[in-house]
Amino acid sequence: AQSVAQPEDQVNVAEGNPLTVKCTYSVSGNPYLFWYVQYPNRGLQFLLKYITGDNLVKGSYGFEAEFNKSQTSFHLKKPSALVSDSALYFCAVRDWGTNAGKSTFGDGTTLTVKP
Amino acid sequence: GAVVSQHPSRVICKSGTSVKIECRSLDFQATTMFWYRQFPKKSLMLMATSNEGSKATYEQGVEKDKFLINHASLTLSTLTVTSAHPEDSSFYICSARWASDVGGEQFFGPGTRLTVL
Repeated sequence: AQSVAQPEDQVNVAEGNPLTVKCTYSVSGNPYLFWYVQYPNRGLQFLLKYITGDNLVKGSYGFEAEFNKSQTSFHLKKPSALVSDSALYFCAVRDWGTNAGKSTFGDGTTLTVKP
Repeated sequence: GAVVSQHPSRVICKSGTSVKIECRSLDFQATTMFWYRQFPKKSLMLMATSNEGSKATYEQGVEKDKFLINHASLTLSTLTVTSAHPEDSSFYICSARWASDVGGEQFFGPGTRLTVL
């Protein structure tokens, strides 16, 4: 079985400050990990992914995430937040070899960046 | 990046009628498409996995006779909500993945807002 937890329903940061959106996962084997962003009344957009290799992954719009196997975490980070980063963020996991290729999504974290 | 379109973006219908939502991968072949329902408190619920040329695989608790899924080609999947009722009102999102890209990300359509009166 695979699962994802996003422990924070809401994250608030001031513009220019660093932001972190947390994600922890559970899989039987090795994980593929993803972050997606959703703007109001829109579909999800891909931000970044971890498949293998370097634990620090860089993605779109200046976002990055670090894969931590021992803590089973994949937190999303950005050094300096923008008001335009305000959106709903989803973490997702997929087990390499099982689950028929389906991803499991977290419940989402609403990020609000205030000017 | 790859583009997935959905049509219509918004539909309002009367209770008891059927509604068809189309999902197209515009510039890539998608052997697998996924249909999600998103609730007001934002979580995504996977309804079914659609594979080209075969029957869809429905998640537990999703009525296959109510939510008919057809994946007739590598670029088109349709979701038909049959005999819609107000409780079916929701935001429906489709997603596709590149053929044979097991580690690939999903590409999402913009969603369809269904309102059943």
